[in-house]
Amino acid sequence: NAGVMQNPRHLVRRRGQEARLRCSPMKGHSHVYWYRQLPEEGLKFMVYLQKENIIDESGMPKERFSAEFPKEGPSILRIQQVVRGDSAAYFCASSPSPGEKLFFGSGTQLSVL
Amino acid sequence: DQQVKQNSPSLSVQEGRISILNCDYTNSMFDYFLWYKKYPAEGPTFLISISSIKDKNEDGRFTVFLNKSAKHLSLHIVPSQPGDSAVYFCAASEYGNKLVFGAGTILRVKS
Repeated sequence: NAGVMQNPRHLVRRRGQEARLRCSPMKGHSHVYWYRQLPEEGLKFMVYLQKENIIDESGMPKERFSAEFPKEGPSILRIQQVVRGDSAAYFCASSPSPGEKLFFGSGTQLSVL
Repeated sequence: DQQVKQNSPSLSVQEGRISILNCDYTNSMFDYFLWYKKYPAEGPTFLISISSIKDKNEDGRFTVFLNKSAKHLSLHIVPSQPGDSAVYFCAASEYGNKLVFGAGTILRVKS
């Protein structure tokens, strides 16, 4: 019974490049959440998706960031034209229904040079 | 706007003693509260939760207390063990909505 799978675990990008972070939720979970943890800070909500729908993107920066959760395949968090301030750990979580506890992946550590 | 606050960045406890981690919240609409534990380079793992209709929930060495009038919850770990050393995050949500996390408390259990 695989948990939430995130890849890659580590991603290094130069300023201006694109970063793509992938998340496969637990089997049977159709609700996906993305959180970001900056150094020395807590987990900040970014976006909540169900299959093919963005439910809440109130924590997502208005520019350069986008997320999707297609009918088939993993959820993708995409960051265009990365800047040094995007360096952080990005965690994906899933749940079987809204309001239930979240199961987290191991995260993707993004480093922007 | 920090809706969930963990005012103690770190806590150090002797093995075998009680660890008490505290959390305050400001949103009176929160009705579900959780504690997560996080080791370095890993994702947070669920520890224990409590709904707003209860004031206490216990699971083995872990007990969560909720004081709705004070908008305060706490996690008690008894007895503390060295393996409990980790970052502990408090989280809260309104039904069906996203979890809002505190900044975390680093717990160190000394043997």
